[in-house]
Amino acid sequence: DADVTQTPRNRITKTGKRIMLECSQTKGHDRMYWYRQDPGLGLRLIYYSFDVKDINKGEISDGYSVSRQAQAKFSLSLESAIPNQTALYFCATSDLRSLAGGSSYNEQFFGPGTRLTVL
Amino acid sequence: GESVGLHLPTLSVQEGDNSIINCAYSNSASDYFIWYKQESGKGPQFIIDIRSNMDKRQGQRVTVLLNKTVKHLSLQIAATQPGDSAVYFCAESGSTLGRLYFGRGTQLTVWP
Repeated sequence: DADVTQTPRNRITKTGKRIMLECSQTKGHDRMYWYRQDPGLGLRLIYYSFDVKDINKGEISDGYSVSRQAQAKFSLSLESAIPNQTALYFCATSDLRSLAGGSSYNEQFFGPGTRLTVL
Repeated sequence: GESVGLHLPTLSVQEGDNSIINCAYSNSASDYFIWYKQESGKGPQFIIDIRSNMDKRQGQRVTVLLNKTVKHLSLQIAATQPGDSAVYFCAESGSTLGRLYFGRGTQLTVWP
């Protein structure tokens, strides 16, 4: 079974509709992330969460909201979808590891992605 | 073959050749770097990482080189195979928050 799952895998919706994308993980990680991927732009961070009910904005949070009610689940909502939100959306999880000297690192594990099309 | 990830986003190599994918980063405080591989229709998968106290790290058929002086990271793939065809992303982290910042990626195509 996959450690990080996303539902739905594909979604086509219309402008103005409310959409929710779900992410679940069985890795027991505290940290979860939502990214958006557009052709030629790589991965851009939308929101991230370091613990249950902890929410932090990423680079491109406008037009999105998230909810983290349980350690294993992190949902992304588009309150009123617009066509330029058409993209691939990835959820990721990580467990923070501390390095000597106070810095830290995390390897992030990604889900399979959700392809969202807004007409 | 060689590419600069941000300026030449595609790299084509012959099967069996070595591939070199390059990445420039801007934050001199970054102390942790990862290479991810993303195959078509899938999420990014971890390949190899390196910490800033190292210059080189080797995995199975892959080597990551870090040059902190010029803020440059490279991924070398030995004896490239068709299954290596994918988009490769570098990512950096440099704060206690542990956030990763991703490059735009390089599309590697391996020809038989």
